[in-house]
Amino acid sequence: AQKVTQAQTEISVVEKEDVTLDCVYETRDTTYYLFWYKQPPSGELVFLIRRNSFDEQNEISGRYSWNFQKSTSSFNFTITASQVVDSAVYFCALSEGRNFGNEKLTFGTGTRLTIIP
Amino acid sequence: EAGVTQFPSHSVIEKGQTVTLRCDPISGHDNLYWYRRVMGKEIKFLLHFVKESKQDESGMPNNRFLAERTGGTYSTLKVQPAELEDSGVYFCASSQWGGSGNEQFFGPGTRLTVL
Repeated sequence: AQKVTQAQTEISVVEKEDVTLDCVYETRDTTYYLFWYKQPPSGELVFLIRRNSFDEQNEISGRYSWNFQKSTSSFNFTITASQVVDSAVYFCALSEGRNFGNEKLTFGTGTRLTIIP
Repeated sequence: EAGVTQFPSHSVIEKGQTVTLRCDPISGHDNLYWYRRVMGKEIKFLLHFVKESKQDESGMPNNRFLAERTGGTYSTLKVQPAELEDSGVYFCASSQWGGSGNEQFFGPGTRLTVL
């Protein structure tokens, strides 16, 4: 069975500080996909990144970066120089790669990030 | 291009009543998913359509929930009769068919409150 754990329920940091959101996953599949979604106060889930299990390269997109480590089953998300607009709930999610065409997501419980001005 | 839309945004009903939620996916997306988030817990999968066919409904809580996708376009999720534990936010997502690990585009959700 798949499982995603986001141990940090809530995090508050002062604007311009760096912050890392943790995500630990469990799966028996050798092929899988990891995702991060952002849920701003407006409610919709906004896709941030997708990573497949064969690509362990870290990725950077502006102030966002992701660290994928299969050895520890983690896919952590770092925001550098945080801004108030980063305040949101962030979800980590996992999907199996073997069920072609049926890629239901398994989500963590989310981390509520508050950036204090 | 319009994103995934959901209607209504909020619904407050009494226990025992019926509610129907609607989702309009992105045009051309054959995959349509329903998810639910209850009381600050994780977002949980309910079911998956490929066009008009139910591909996987393993997450449906019980037979009070009925999902349809007529003509492979919009989808409805009916709860009849609603119970208190059905309260939560119901999300709909769509994605393209084919390939693996396709990004799912989510709607804003419908917040259902059962009193």
